[in-house]
Amino acid sequence: GGIITQTPKFLIGQEGQKLTLKCQQNFNHDTMYWYRQDSGKGLRLIYYSITENDLQKGDLSEGYDASREKKSSFSLTVTSAQKNEMAVFLCASSIAGGRTGQLYFGEGSKLTVL
Amino acid sequence: GDSVTQTEGQVALSEEDFLTIHCNYSASGYPALFWYVQYPGEGPQFLFRASRDKEKGSSRGFEATYNKETTSFHLQKASVQESDSAVYYCALGDTGNYKYVFGAGTRLKVIA
Repeated sequence: GGIITQTPKFLIGQEGQKLTLKCQQNFNHDTMYWYRQDSGKGLRLIYYSITENDLQKGDLSEGYDASREKKSSFSLTVTSAQKNEMAVFLCASSIAGGRTGQLYFGEGSKLTVL
Repeated sequence: GDSVTQTEGQVALSEEDFLTIHCNYSASGYPALFWYVQYPGEGPQFLFRASRDKEKGSSRGFEATYNKETTSFHLQKASVQESDSAVYYCALGDTGNYKYVFGAGTRLKVIA
């Protein structure tokens, strides 16, 4: 089996600050994802990456940047944190997307902006 | 675009009650359908999937049948336990598309 490790688990930032979340997977999966989880809104896709050095925007990409420099890692940057923002960011990977794969998730990184 | 609708935001049941969580989808292609479960403090876990009409997926006593006619994939369990308390997400993955689309989630609380 494999594991997805997200760091940090908790992140507290100031308004306007640039904040970075990191994700590592040892499944050797090609595809990785960043989702944002808000209560009552489910999981919304921010960015995904089909393979190393690939980046694809999801439905919620505005205000975020992503980086996939290695197959095993995928980073997400909040470019300017919004005051009173609170959300959980979930990293996931899949051997293949769409119909053929399934997602494996990390435990999440909880962001609080003061 | 593709979408998933879960009707119930919250469900409260007693132990041994029958569970149904409704999931309907809209997709341009012929998607695979998934159920995930999320316990407090953890990421969602894959429960099961179905990828063709009338196929039943099942795991841990939960089951759902892919219905292309009604565009539904309702989650059911005959007798819930307190340990089933969690958030359940319905999702779809479509043909030729790496994205997965999730419903808003249903919070299940089972009272002993």
